Amino acid sequence: EVQLVESGGGLVQPGRSLRLSCAASGFTFNDYAMHWVRQAPGKGLEWVAGIVWNSGSSAYADSVKGRFTISRDNAKNYLYLQMNSLRPEDMALYFCAKDVGTYDSSGTYFDHWGQGTLVTVAS
Amino acid sequence: QSVLTQPPSVSGAPGQRVTISCTGNSSNIGVGYDVHWYQLLPGTAPKLLIYRNNIRPSGVPDRFSGSKSATSASLAITGLQAEDEADYYCQSYDTRLSASVFGGGTKLTVL
Repeated sequence: EVQLVESGGGLVQPGRSLRLSCAASGFTFNDYAMHWVRQAPGKGLEWVAGIVWNSGSSAYADSVKGRFTISRDNAKNYLYLQMNSLRPEDMALYFCAKDVGTYDSSGTYFDHWGQGTLVTVAS
Repeated sequence: QSVLTQPPSVSGAPGQRVTISCTGNSSNIGVGYDVHWYQLLPGTAPKLLIYRNNIRPSGVPDRFSGSKSATSASLAITGLQAEDEADYYCQSYDTRLSASVFGGGTKLTVL
């Protein structure tokens, strides 16, 4: 059974940093691209970032480009999102999502998701 | 403002049929990119409902179906059940943004 378990969310002040993690199990992690998708309170889903199977390529939404960095550790079956210079508008539930493909860092479609970790940005 | 446009809400009585539209443009659905649909229930992981316009993953009831034409797509749910009450999102790829994009979401209420 595919499982994606996010962690690392919490309350952080504007301008500070936070690192999210996603523990993956139940599938061959290094065969698939992986993504972060977020949902701000009362808002819709927004794709945030994606990374291909071997970390050879990554992509970001314009809203986070230059501030967020996606990475993965295939030996540990972990996906990460380093979030710097956080803004109030980054406050959201962050989901880890598995792509159906291997090579598309911008996303094909997402066949498994975690339950999310909540990031609150406030002073 | 989402790149893909969905109605904020739809409703129907148990047993009825509802449809949810997803309207794009010439930089996404209109140039042939596939549309995928997800179901979000509060407190649970999002669930893939339809992929590549009209294909149901294993385990999704055949009450759910998808279609696509020109610059739009639709999700149809027949034989509405109380458990279908959820938020539904469409997703595609946008060439101008070079990114996956979602609709704004549609809240389905079962009356």
